[in-house]
Amino acid sequence: GAVVSQHPSWVICKSGTSVKIECRSLDFQATTMFWYRQFPKQSLMLMATSNEGSKATYEQGVEKDKFLINHASLTLSTLTVTSAHPEDSSFYICSTRQGNSPLHFGNGTRLTVT
Amino acid sequence: GENVEQHPSTLSVQEGDSAVIKCTYSDSASNYFPWYKQELGKRPQLIIDIRSNVGEKKDQRIAVTLNKTAKHFSLHITETQPEDSAVYFCSGDTDKLIFGTGTRLQVFP
Repeated sequence: GAVVSQHPSWVICKSGTSVKIECRSLDFQATTMFWYRQFPKQSLMLMATSNEGSKATYEQGVEKDKFLINHASLTLSTLTVTSAHPEDSSFYICSTRQGNSPLHFGNGTRLTVT
Repeated sequence: GENVEQHPSTLSVQEGDSAVIKCTYSDSASNYFPWYKQELGKRPQLIIDIRSNVGEKKDQRIAVTLNKTAKHFSLHITETQPEDSAVYFCSGDTDKLIFGTGTRLQVFP
């Protein structure tokens, strides 16, 4: 069964609004979650690493004030796309792992900003 | 940080032929190299992985080889089938997983 649950699977929002994406670790306590973004026909680009109880670590070029990450519990991390614009339309996917194990991915969220 | 390059970007083969995808990485500290298969609109699925203390690993029709000295690793798929058609990503892992640019594999019947 699924190890990581991600919601919503798709969302359409108007430009200027904010969208929250949730990622839950179902089988183990996840101290770290990885958030990726994937544009059509491109690779998965790591946006940030969320750490339970502390600030997220953002990759170069990713605006932390635009992509708010919260990891308040050991099973839940959220990504909020604030003031979304059409160029933010993309496939967002979270992942986590236990120790040195392979990554477990959520099913992804397809965001469309109109 | 880690940089992973992947070739080719597209690969077309006839059913039954072999397919090889190659990747190079930059961070000598990387010690784990998973390969993922992604079908359109879906999440990546782990198909095989290798750790740095091993040079080769095989799982039925899929194999991965690793050359730590040269910092490159390859995915080999033998006896390809149409259902192997997908995008394949290599990745290098230190404390976070960085993906290659992807290879779109098409297997023609």
